[in-house]
Amino acid sequence: AQSVTQPDIHITVSEGASLELRCNYSYGATPYLFWYVQSPGQGLQLLLKYFSGDTLVQGIKGFEAEFKRSQSSFNLRKPSVHWSDAAEYFCAGGVIGNEKLTFGTGTRLTIIP
Amino acid sequence: DTGVSQDPRHKITKRGQNVTFRCDPISEHNRLYWYRQTLGQGPEFLTYFQNEAQLEKSRLLSDRFSAERPKGSFSTLEIQRTEQGDSAMYLCASSLDDNLNTIYFGEGSWLTVV
Repeated sequence: AQSVTQPDIHITVSEGASLELRCNYSYGATPYLFWYVQSPGQGLQLLLKYFSGDTLVQGIKGFEAEFKRSQSSFNLRKPSVHWSDAAEYFCAGGVIGNEKLTFGTGTRLTIIP
Repeated sequence: DTGVSQDPRHKITKRGQNVTFRCDPISEHNRLYWYRQTLGQGPEFLTYFQNEAQLEKSRLLSDRFSAERPKGSFSTLEIQRTEQGDSAMYLCASSLDDNLNTIYFGEGSWLTVV
């Protein structure tokens, strides 16, 4: 079955510290992968997406993610977090021929001063 | 047209009442999707349309739920005889055909059933 897993429910990081949010996928073919951010009561904002080509993807707000086929992972990184990065982060995947995205359960990011 | 629009953004209703949500996709997008997101969970697929044809429905979409896209443009999602378990955010997304590279989500419609 196709799935996306976010192993960490909640992560706390100090402001200015680096961040890595984990995402693992299980698909028969190479999936299209996305990272979204959601602030409380708001919709989904796309941070970045991977479709093909360069496995290191740059996104908005200083985020990047790396597609690693050998590890079935698409982890999100940021070198230095800001208090405004506190939010819920969702990884999602899809494949051509299966016309819907499958989302992980999300990782809540808390930033401490 | 700058994105996917959803209306209303928030709805509080009493249990047993019917509610309807509307989604206006990006104008040239012929695919439209509905997702549901409950508190603490990621969005879950409900259904999608290619133009006016509803091509797939999740088993999450009980008999009380119905979605339409009569002219292949905007879509409505109606929930009849609402239950407290229907409380969630209902997200709409649109794309150009099956090109997931073009998928965009709306801001969502929050439903609270009291």
